[in-house]
Amino acid sequence: GDSVTQMEGPVTLSEEACLTINCTYTATGYPSLFWYVQYPGEGLQLLLKATKADDKGSNKGFEATYRKETTSFHLEKGSVQVSDSAVYFCALSEGQAGTALIFGKGTTLSVSS
Amino acid sequence: GAVVSQHPSRVICKSGTSVKIECRSLDFQATTMFWYRQFPKKSLMLMATSNEGSKATYEQGVEKDKFLINHASLTLSTLTVTSAHPEDSSFYICSARPTRSEAFFGQGTRLTVV
Repeated sequence: GDSVTQMEGPVTLSEEACLTINCTYTATGYPSLFWYVQYPGEGLQLLLKATKADDKGSNKGFEATYRKETTSFHLEKGSVQVSDSAVYFCALSEGQAGTALIFGKGTTLSVSS
Repeated sequence: GAVVSQHPSRVICKSGTSVKIECRSLDFQATTMFWYRQFPKKSLMLMATSNEGSKATYEQGVEKDKFLINHASLTLSTLTVTSAHPEDSSFYICSARPTRSEAFFGQGTRLTVV
């Protein structure tokens, strides 16, 4: 079945450092790909998404490119801030509206000043 | 943007009692909603798919008699944890996906069974 694998954390960085969180997926078709962020004690918020190969999603300085050839959707940011500390989830869905997302296990990011 | 509201955000209950968690779509209709459980090491497990007007579809290993799901209207799904035990303590999150390109999540409910 479909699955998402993302790098284990925690990832600990200093402010203004570069961030990469790896995410690879296994799917039979052409999924939509997502990154969600969860701040402490809160639900999940969509960070960015891409619905077809070579699409680049971006938001709040974060980027991820849908790479079909490597089945990857790595999350990157050039300069992290303390406020970026959170748990990041990579997810996919092959279906249309009304289909559940499949999540990776989440990566905790901790940024110190 | 679309909003999913989940209530309560926190609940503490005694062992053996039942707890109901509500999930509402505030500005769209959701014929399908999803219930996830988040474990301490962060991973999100899909528990069940809630279908408006019909029975929920449970994932393998999820006890349907323990986790009762009702989706009585196009904007409301409820999850009832029956005869709760301490091992049911967890963070429960509901979700709806009105379009192909995005899913919306509730704020989550922290359940503690004492």
